[in-house]
Amino acid sequence: DSGVTQTPKHLITATGQRVTLRCSPRSGDLSVYWYQQSLDQGLQFLIQYYNGEERAKGNILERFSAQQFPDLHSELNLSSLELGDSALYFCASSPPGLAEDTGELFFGEGSRLTVL
Amino acid sequence: GQSLEQPSEVTAVEGAIVQINCTYQTSGFYGLSWYQQHDGGAPTFLSYNALDGLEETGRFSSFLSRSDSYGYLLLQELQMKDSASYFCAVRMNYGGATNKLIFGTGTLLAVQP
Repeated sequence: DSGVTQTPKHLITATGQRVTLRCSPRSGDLSVYWYQQSLDQGLQFLIQYYNGEERAKGNILERFSAQQFPDLHSELNLSSLELGDSALYFCASSPPGLAEDTGELFFGEGSRLTVL
Repeated sequence: GQSLEQPSEVTAVEGAIVQINCTYQTSGFYGLSWYQQHDGGAPTFLSYNALDGLEETGRFSSFLSRSDSYGYLLLQELQMKDSASYFCAVRMNYGGATNKLIFGTGTLLAVQP
């Protein structure tokens, strides 16, 4: 158990709908990262937050948005869902400096989104 | 942009040694990490190389050559539980003091008895 909590674990929804994925980082971690993993694919970097502020963006679609709240939990909002958005969405966290020093992130178990 | 290349699949037998290679093209390179993922579960950190050379952690070792933009993960005394996907990931500069971690597409290792 990495200490990173993601909810929900599984989510099934229809095209055109909107969902929110939630992530609680490990205690003391200020950085939160979101990654998308489609079937048999690598981890695509979406976005990174540090202490409530957006720090880095990857290949995040305009239909997707995220934020990190004052209590450091983060939410990833996916809207106008398409079949191709079906994937595992991982959240990861790291304490100040660790990712920069070692490249180590602590991943949650992921939220599996199925769009029908 | 950036790119990372790793073999898609590797097969080896229990007790053997296997090497998973990773080549990368990126600007603002800081270091190379390796992660293990079992059956779509949470990826877990294995190792990190910022400098050239070999880093050893138990049965796993990782190597980096910055001049060749190349690294590898070496797994010794393979066990069945090592069957998993292995990802290399580049830590690269995003801008200012910020960096980001970009993952390769992963190598599926199958360990056979």
